[in-house]
Amino acid sequence: NAGVTQTPKFQVLKTGQSMTLQCAQDMNHEYMSWYRQDPGMGLRLIHYSVGAGITDQGEVPNGYNVSRSTTEDFPLRLLSAAPSQTSVYFCASSYSYPSNTEAFFGQGTRLTVV
Amino acid sequence: GENVEQHPSTLSVQEGDSAVIKCTYSDSASNYFPWYKQELGKGPQLIIDIRSNVGEKKDQRIAVTLNKTAKHFSLHITETQPEDSAVYFCAASMEAGTALIFGKGTTLSVSS
Repeated sequence: NAGVTQTPKFQVLKTGQSMTLQCAQDMNHEYMSWYRQDPGMGLRLIHYSVGAGITDQGEVPNGYNVSRSTTEDFPLRLLSAAPSQTSVYFCASSYSYPSNTEAFFGQGTRLTVV
Repeated sequence: GENVEQHPSTLSVQEGDSAVIKCTYSDSASNYFPWYKQELGKGPQLIIDIRSNVGEKKDQRIAVTLNKTAKHFSLHITETQPEDSAVYFCAASMEAGTALIFGKGTTLSVSS
């Protein structure tokens, strides 16, 4: 059982480049989310999804797009990378109905924008 | 929206001592309060959680208490060990399917 798999683990981008961070889970969780982690800022929610075809914005959504075409996958897109997006990104998944349950996190993607 | 405050940001204890981390939340509708432990280079992992219909929950050396009236909850670790050294996050969420909002984390260091 792989759990939550994030790829790549490390990435360096130039300002203005685009890329997609991949996230896949094999637990049939309906709820998936993306967080960014910066020193002293904790985990801040970027976008989340309560099921295939449904997404919503979190605390810091600007500069990021998401889609949820399948239950398993929840990719995060950076359309035009900026140095302020240098961070560690975590994807998480969980059951959310009938009540929220344990969120399982991936190992993270460390992104540097130069 | 929900806002979660966590204190202290760093905590240093001697092995065998107890450690307490406190969090407050802003939205009285929140009803699920998990605690996560993050080791270096890894993703956060759930260590204990509590729901709003429970005041206290224990799991071996770890306990969590919840005061709904004051809107705060705390993590208690007894008989700390060096392997307890990590970053700990509290979080809160409302009804099913809503987002999990995290505090800024506490770096716990246990020295032997």
